[in-house]
Amino acid sequence: GAGVSQSPSNKVTEKGKDVELRCDPISGHTALYWYRQSLGQGLEFLIYFQGNSAPDKSGLPSDRFSAERTGGSVSTLTIQRTQQEDSAVYLCASSLGAQETQYFGPGTRLLVL
Amino acid sequence: AQSVSQHNHHVILSEAASLELGCNYSYGGTVNLFWYVQYPGQHLQLLLKYFSGDPLVKGIKGFEAEFIKSKFSFNLRKPSVQWSDTAEYFCALKGGGSYIPTFGRGTSLIVHP
Repeated sequence: GAGVSQSPSNKVTEKGKDVELRCDPISGHTALYWYRQSLGQGLEFLIYFQGNSAPDKSGLPSDRFSAERTGGSVSTLTIQRTQQEDSAVYLCASSLGAQETQYFGPGTRLLVL
Repeated sequence: AQSVSQHNHHVILSEAASLELGCNYSYGGTVNLFWYVQYPGQHLQLLLKYFSGDPLVKGIKGFEAEFIKSKFSFNLRKPSVQWSDTAEYFCALKGGGSYIPTFGRGTSLIVHP
């Protein structure tokens, strides 16, 4: 199992509820990215982690979005008080370093009713 | 700011036809350019990349792309497509040593057998 994994693969939630999305990067990869892909759109950068450095949160669309990365490995993206416009596929990618090839996970498809 | 434009959102071809997908970017400095592919039901994966050197880059499965600095372009080409090339193709840019890529909106390619 050498690839990036994400869970759940699908998530349906009601407007106003909180959701947590998980990403397991490739072992040894120090860089981890979260993206959002809405229907018919490209990938929208959300947040970037590199080693023990402070994350780059410049892509987070609102303060309802947050992410953490524990022990330099697993990352969790949390969306609080979900809105219908949060419906999208959330993709995680990892790489050996910031300038190395990114490897993507299968994504979590989030639907907010 | 950096941006990527993919003008063809949907392309339909017959097998053996030649392919060229357009990608234009906006950034005034040094660039790293990428093409990613997402086959139906699969993860997004790197097709090819340009960092420096020969502007004609060859990737997997017979794809190639040419970086033309004067035109701010990085078009993807394949001389003879196959049904298995049916996928979504994304162009991406990292400008000036940035570690955060900007993606285009993607081009959906359908190849009829």
